[in-house]
Order: sequence, then structure tokens, then C-alpha cells
Amino acid sequence: RKEVEQDPGPFNVPEGATVAFNCTYSNSASQSFFWYRQDCRKEPKLLMSVYSSGNEDGRFTAQLNRASQYISLLIRDSKLSDSATYLCVVNSAFSGGYNKLIFGAGTRLAVHP
Amino acid sequence: DAGVIQSPRHEVTEMGQEVTLRCKPISGHNSLFWYRQTMMRGLELLIYFNNNVPIDDSGMPEDRFSAKMPNASFSTLKIQPSEPRDSAVYFCASKGTGGLAGGFFTYNEQFFGPGTRLTVL
Repeated sequence: RKEVEQDPGPFNVPEGATVAFNCTYSNSASQSFFWYRQDCRKEPKLLMSVYSSGNEDGRFTAQLNRASQYISLLIRDSKLSDSATYLCVVNSAFSGGYNKLIFGAGTRLAVHP
Repeated sequence: DAGVIQSPRHEVTEMGQEVTLRCKPISGHNSLFWYRQTMMRGLELLIYFNNNVPIDDSGMPEDRFSAKMPNASFSTLKIQPSEPRDSAVYFCASKGTGGLAGGFFTYNEQFFGPGTRLTVL
């Protein structure tokens, strides 16, 4: 089983739609959670962190359910510019007190006019 | 700030040749990461340096791969000899100091370079 699992999509939605992505992780000791965005042939960039209480940044809402080891990202009022791959990312600890990011395979979103 | 700089941006080589990828992290960042991305396997961490010291190289596929960080502003990833299955996009990322604060880990964002697209024929 992969450490971080996502539905690869693609999600094809019209402009203005609301779309939700889900992600599950296997390591219950994981401490931090993020969504990264990757445009075609570009590098990943941090979209937002995910906090236990849920957090919102404009049209984007992220939520974390530690008991179910589940992370979600909701995008409201989709724009054409939201078309990208969304990577679910988990920060996992390993020996020596260090941490590293584990990336999901990504969910592709295509917003059409 | 110029961000993370990688070179070359594209590399096409023949099987058996040596390939060297270069990375300049963001000034002041003390952690550097090399990742590989393919359609089949997604984004995989190859090696992680902290203060120029390799901390975790468990993701390095095999002995053909080696990475060095001789100083805080430069790192290389070398593949010798290269094979067609090494074809991928190789990303370098850097981040500043995180740490424990009030019992919680403070995360600093990883900034990725533009990547090197490697094709081994």
C-alpha cells in the first residue's frame, strides 16, 4: 500500500463548479499535511497547509481527519487557471528527528469553459 | 531571490554515458532534496541533505546514482552509467530551518527548482 493515495482523475469540470479531492495516508504518526499544485511541465509549488481544524484560503478549503487518516481539498467557483495536478503531501518523521515529505501521485483537474 | 537553480534544464544522452545534474539552493536554506518524477512512480525522494550532510539516501535507486553537496550553495546528482529507465524529470528542492516550537514541529516550505528533464536513449 502506498503511503499517500489519491484518485488520479482526471476531474473534468466546467468553470464555476465546486470540486473536491480526497487523499488518504497510512502513517498515523504523520505530523503535517499539505496540498501542492503542479502545472504541466513545471515544478510543484505549495498551495496550502492543512490544519486539524480545517483552513480556508479564498476559494480553497482544506480539511484533515486524523482519526480516518484522510485529507481533502475543496475548490469553489473553479477557474480555468485552476487546471493543474494537485498533490497531497504528508510530512513524515524518520530517525534522528528529521522529517521528509511523502507525495501522492496527484489528482489532475481540468476546468473547461 | 532567484529561487532554486538547476542545470541543465534538458539533457539527452545515450545509454552508458555519465550524466551530472546540478543544483544551487536558495541562499540561507540548510536542507536540500533531490527528487525524481515519472508518470509511473510519481514524485520520489532520492536523497536529503541537511547542512551539507546526507541524512537519508534510502531513495537512491542503486549504486549508479550518487549525490554530493560540497558546500551550502551547490549540489550534484550523478548517474553513471545511465540507462533508459533513468529517463525522468529530476527536481532539486531546498528549505530553511524548521524545528520544534512549543512541542510542535514548525514546517518550512520546500521550494522546488524548475527541474532537469533527462532522456536516456
